[in-house]
Amino acid sequence: AQSVTQPDIHITVSEGASLELRCNYSYGATPYLFWYVQSPGQGLQLLLKYFSGDTLVQGIKGFEAEFKRSQSSFNLRKPSVHWSDAAEYFCAVGVREYGNKLVFGAGTILRVKS
Amino acid sequence: GAGVSQSPSNKVTEKGKDVELRCDPISGHTALYWYRQSLGQGLEFLIYFQGNSAPDKSGLPSDRFSAERTGGSVSTLTIQRTQQEDSAVYLCASSLVGVGVTEAFFGQGTRLTVV
Repeated sequence: AQSVTQPDIHITVSEGASLELRCNYSYGATPYLFWYVQSPGQGLQLLLKYFSGDTLVQGIKGFEAEFKRSQSSFNLRKPSVHWSDAAEYFCAVGVREYGNKLVFGAGTILRVKS
Repeated sequence: GAGVSQSPSNKVTEKGKDVELRCDPISGHTALYWYRQSLGQGLEFLIYFQGNSAPDKSGLPSDRFSAERTGGSVSTLTIQRTQQEDSAVYLCASSLVGVGVTEAFFGQGTRLTVV
């Protein structure tokens, strides 16, 4: 069965510190990979996506993510976190062989200390 | 339309009543999803429509939940005999599925409160 794992439910970082949010998936096929952000009281917004090509992708708001096939991972990073980055982050995976359905991880809540 | 539109934005209903939630996807998008997000929880997949294929209903929590998509566009999620545990934000998303998967665009959700 397809699954997406975000092992960290909560993460707290200091403003200005670097950030890495983890995402692992379990599929045999080549997935399409996404990161979404949900700010408090807001809808979900796409941060970045990976379909093919360069395994390091750049997104909005200074975020980037790296696809590592050998580790079945797609971790999200940001070099310097801002207080406005406090939100919930969701990793999502779509696989053509499973009807292109998007499956989401459980989410990671990011808290930023000033 | 410009984005995914959901209505109503808020719904309060009495336990045992039926409710209908509506989703207008982005024009031309072939795939439509319903998710549920309870307080402090992640996104729970409910149902997935893709073109003319049979919908993937594997996430519907009980037979009180059903959904349809008319004409490949508008979708309605129906919850019969609502229970308090049905209280949540119901999110609709649409995407354009062709050669591969594209990103899903989300509506603002319907906040359902069962009292």
